[in-house]
Amino acid sequence: DVKVTQSSRYLVKRTGEKVFLECVQDMDHENMFWYRQDPGLGLRLIYFSYDVKMKEKGDIPEGYSVSREKKERFSLILESASTNQTSMYLCASSAGTGLGANYGYTFGSGTRLTVV
Amino acid sequence: DQQVKQNSPSLSVQEGRISILNCDYTNSMFDYFLWYKKYPAEGPTFLISISSIKDKNEDGRFTVFLNKSAKHLSLHIVPSQPGDSAVYFCAARRYNQGGKLIFGQGTELSVKP
Repeated sequence: DVKVTQSSRYLVKRTGEKVFLECVQDMDHENMFWYRQDPGLGLRLIYFSYDVKMKEKGDIPEGYSVSREKKERFSLILESASTNQTSMYLCASSAGTGLGANYGYTFGSGTRLTVV
Repeated sequence: DQQVKQNSPSLSVQEGRISILNCDYTNSMFDYFLWYKKYPAEGPTFLISISSIKDKNEDGRFTVFLNKSAKHLSLHIVPSQPGDSAVYFCAARRYNQGGKLIFGQGTELSVKP
């Protein structure tokens, strides 16, 4: 059974802490993504990566960074956590970027982060 | 700039009836549209998709309709079942931006027995 695994389901961190959210996929997918989900705002893209050591900003990258040292692992880093980063964080992966390819994301189960 | 919009935050239907979830988009460069379903405390799962060159795609109880002139798509679930109760996200892909999907705000569907 193919999977995207997020290291923590629930996390509580203090304001100002550096926070690492880890995501691992076992499908040999090229593309990996980090989204956050907030009520009324849907899923918003934070960062994504099309290849190892490659990253691109999404729609809301401020306050975040990412790391992709290996193909299967994509980490989201909150440099200095703030209360407005309390959210559900979702990692996803997908295969290929071919025009017309009918593919979608495989999501992890999410990490519910609370910053106090 | 919300390029994909789901204007109904919630929808309640009776078991056995039809559920219709709507989605509007603004960018004519989108080439694929997808629907995802999300249960609480789980990640979204892929439900059904449609290419921009088609106007309908059907998979069992689920049918997606695309009206390109109106920049509108809808998901029909017939018949609705209590297990369909979840949040449904519409998503769109822009052909020259690789795998990146843009999601709507989501619609919470409640199917009552």
